Amino acid sequence: EVQLVESGGGLVQPGGSLRLSCAASGFTFSSYSMNWVRQAPGVGLEWVSYISSSTGTIYYADSVKGRFTISRDNAKNSLYLHMNSLRAEDTAVYYCARATTTSSSHFDYWGQGALVTVSS
Amino acid sequence: DIVMTQSPDSLAVSLGERATMNCKSSQSVLYRSNNKNYLAWYQQKPGQPPKLLIYWASTRESGVPDRFSGSGSGTDFTLTISSLQAEDVAVYYCQQYYSTPPITFGQGTRLEIK
Repeated sequence: EVQLVESGGGLVQPGGSLRLSCAASGFTFSSYSMNWVRQAPGVGLEWVSYISSSTGTIYYADSVKGRFTISRDNAKNSLYLHMNSLRAEDTAVYYCARATTTSSSHFDYWGQGALVTVSS
Repeated sequence: DIVMTQSPDSLAVSLGERATMNCKSSQSVLYRSNNKNYLAWYQQKPGQPPKLLIYWASTRESGVPDRFSGSGSGTDFTLTISSLQAEDVAVYYCQQYYSTPPITFGQGTRLEIK
């Protein structure tokens, strides 16, 4: 069974940093591209970042470019999102999501999400 | 960026009746070389992550009931639930993955029971 489990969320002050993790199981993690998608309270879905299976290709939404860094460790079956210079508008549930192929792909599995709250 | 616009924002349908919602993209998401529309539909119930229902505009994901169907091409798409069940109450999102980055989602259609 495919499972994606996020961790690392929490309360952080504006300007602070946080690292989210996504532990994958039930599939060959190294064969799949992965994404982070976020959802602010009561709002819709916003794609945040993409990383290819081999880490050779990485993309970011303009809203997080220069502040967030996506990475993965295929040996540990884990995906990460390093978030710096956090702002109130980054408050959201962050989901990791598996892409079926490349960056031009729908997402067939999602984690349960990790809540990040940016507030003083 | 491709802007995805869903309509209506909310929809109330009686149990057993048909529910229809729409998604319009600001430019075509049809890739002519493979004749595929890079359009997916997701269902999100309260407190849960999104669940993939439909991809390539009309291909039902494994395990999704056949009352869910997707149609359309180019810039205009429709998700239809043929006979609404109580468990279908959710917010439905469309997503384009034709022009990336960024992948973009519609704002969602909230489906309720009348």
